Order: sequence, then structure tokens, then C-alpha cells
Amino acid sequence: DADVTQTPRNRITKTGKRIMLECSQTKGHDRMYWYRQDPGLGLRLIYYSFDVKDINKGEISDGYSVSRQAQAKFSLSLESAIPNQTALYFCATSQNSGSQETQYFGPGTRLLVL
Amino acid sequence: GENVEQHPSTLSVQEGDSAVIKCTYSDSASNYFPWYKQELGKGPQLIIDIRSNVGEKKDQRIAVTLNKTAKHFSLHITETQPEDSAVYFCAASTGYSSASKIIFGSGTRLSIRP
Repeated sequence: DADVTQTPRNRITKTGKRIMLECSQTKGHDRMYWYRQDPGLGLRLIYYSFDVKDINKGEISDGYSVSRQAQAKFSLSLESAIPNQTALYFCATSQNSGSQETQYFGPGTRLLVL
Repeated sequence: GENVEQHPSTLSVQEGDSAVIKCTYSDSASNYFPWYKQELGKGPQLIIDIRSNVGEKKDQRIAVTLNKTAKHFSLHITETQPEDSAVYFCAASTGYSSASKIIFGSGTRLSIRP
């Protein structure tokens, strides 16, 4: 969905390096999420933000940090990358509508940690 | 917390035949069950969802069923076509609350044989 963009689309880095994955959205949604996808494990939530200045840990937040710079931007950082963080990372957005919400995903960032 | 199990992990069907993917969930408070389709190189996209007050929902060749007593829900695709080849994720959510999150199943890779 072009309304949710992620940069970079692919990244190769070395163990111990700090990297940042960026997500931007033009949907005007309040809520943003970072997921990690590994083969056979589906999508696992890393961090989520329901508004600017609101940051919440997901089920696998260790080794990651996030920043919600504005309503439209949500960045994921790996402070010191390790090989088991090699995965496909997705950003998603949703709107707080008071009921069940559809999540809109970006195209993903493929990260390889050597 | 919620746990969602999805089966099978891979599914191959002849073009024109039907495909069924099944999921179970653990949290009886879950009341929203979306299904996402992920095409190669893209992020997941919502294709259909069902709420707990409904037992079945159809949208053209796609249908979802929900059995709240057994905590089962299923995706049915009839008259499969090559463009149905993708990874499908089920998910469950309690919805409504500010703390609600969507928990995803591990995914099913569906292949349509010509």
C-alpha cells in the first residue's frame, strides 16, 4: 500500500552496528506498529504507538527501540544488531475508530545481519 | 495472553478446487477475526474479517466461518485461481480497548496448481 512507506527496502549490516528502519504514512492514522516476520512464525509485534508520545512494548521488544517523531513517522532502531535479528520487518498503521481496526501494512524491509 | 494457531502451514490445490485454512484461538474475549493475504514482495493486506456476533461472512469467492464455542474460525476460498497463490494469515483481537492488539497466526502458504 503506497500510503505506508518503509525505508530502506533492503539492508545488509554487520553484527554490532546500529541501524534504523523508517516508516511514514499518509493515511492520517493515529496508531502505528512494527512487526517482525520470520518463516513459520507469522507476524510478531515489536512495538506499537497509539499516538505521538505513546510507546508500548510488544511481545518481542528486547534489542529494539522506537521513536514516534510525528503522527506520520515511526522509526525502529536496532542498537547493536545481531544475526538472529535477520528478518522481514513490517510497519503498519490503523485508525482508532472505537471498534475493530483494519491494519494497513507497508511493503516491508528485508534485513540481513552478518 | 491470546494465542492463535493456524493450519496447515502449506497448502497446494488444483486450480478451480476449494481451499480451506483453519485457525484456533485461546482467549474467549476475542471478538474480531481478520484474515490477511500477503503476496510475494508485499505487505499483508486485509481480505475479509468477521466479528463475534456473526457466524459466517461471504465476499464473492471468499468466506469465513466462526465457531465461538469451539474457538475455531476458517477461511474458505472457492473456485481457486492462480492469483490466489499467496501467504494467508488469520488473526484475533479483543478489539475496542485502547490496549487491544491483533495476534497473528503463523501463516499458510497457498499454491494453486494449473
